[in-house]
Amino acid sequence: EPEVTQTPSHQVTQMGQEVILRCVPISNHLYFYWYRQILGQKVEFLVSFYNNEISEKSEIFDDQFSVERPDGSNFTLKIRSTKLEDSAMYFCASSYRSGRAGELFFGEGSRLTVL
Amino acid sequence: AQSVTQLDSHVSVSEGTPVLLRCNYSSSYSPSLFWYVQHPNKGLQLLLKYTSAATLVKGINGFEAEFKKSETSFHLTKPSAHMSDAAEYFCVVSDQGTYKYIFGTGTRLKVLA
Repeated sequence: EPEVTQTPSHQVTQMGQEVILRCVPISNHLYFYWYRQILGQKVEFLVSFYNNEISEKSEIFDDQFSVERPDGSNFTLKIRSTKLEDSAMYFCASSYRSGRAGELFFGEGSRLTVL
Repeated sequence: AQSVTQLDSHVSVSEGTPVLLRCNYSSSYSPSLFWYVQHPNKGLQLLLKYTSAATLVKGINGFEAEFKKSETSFHLTKPSAHMSDAAEYFCVVSDQGTYKYIFGTGTRLKVLA
């Protein structure tokens, strides 16, 4: 069964360092998303991406964050200068459609710990 | 604007008894609604979805949910809880024409032996 894969599963970094989280969405999907979940809290929308551009982003997704689809398979989330409060589980998701009938398929997550 | 409220942060049931996890939504347009489950240290798995077809939706592992527009609710039920159902459950809403899926705060289900 096709699945979304994320790497790394866990990354520890120092405050101020750049981090890149990688995702390989399901191959025929067209919409890509990043969500984050701070420990014990709700799953928060960060950004959606379609047709090689950001389609929607939340207020959390500030200038420190960027997304890219550098080739036909990878979808990356970059945090330029990490802060302590960026520590969270980051989930990548993809869907064939958006909204109606377009359920999200999630990866297992990348746990980011900022020291 | 779309939003979703999960009325209970924690629910405890005994094994073999019914499960009810409540979800109310707010949507400007005709929403799509989903329930996802998250087992400890795992990703998010789709249980079921409503996309304007039948209002009673059946999902995996014996779960089902009923879309009630008049009550703006999409409660998740299961007739008989199993120990393996212990997990966090998220109700999710997405408006037509948006690229955003909004999660509720989650309900942690505990199943007692």
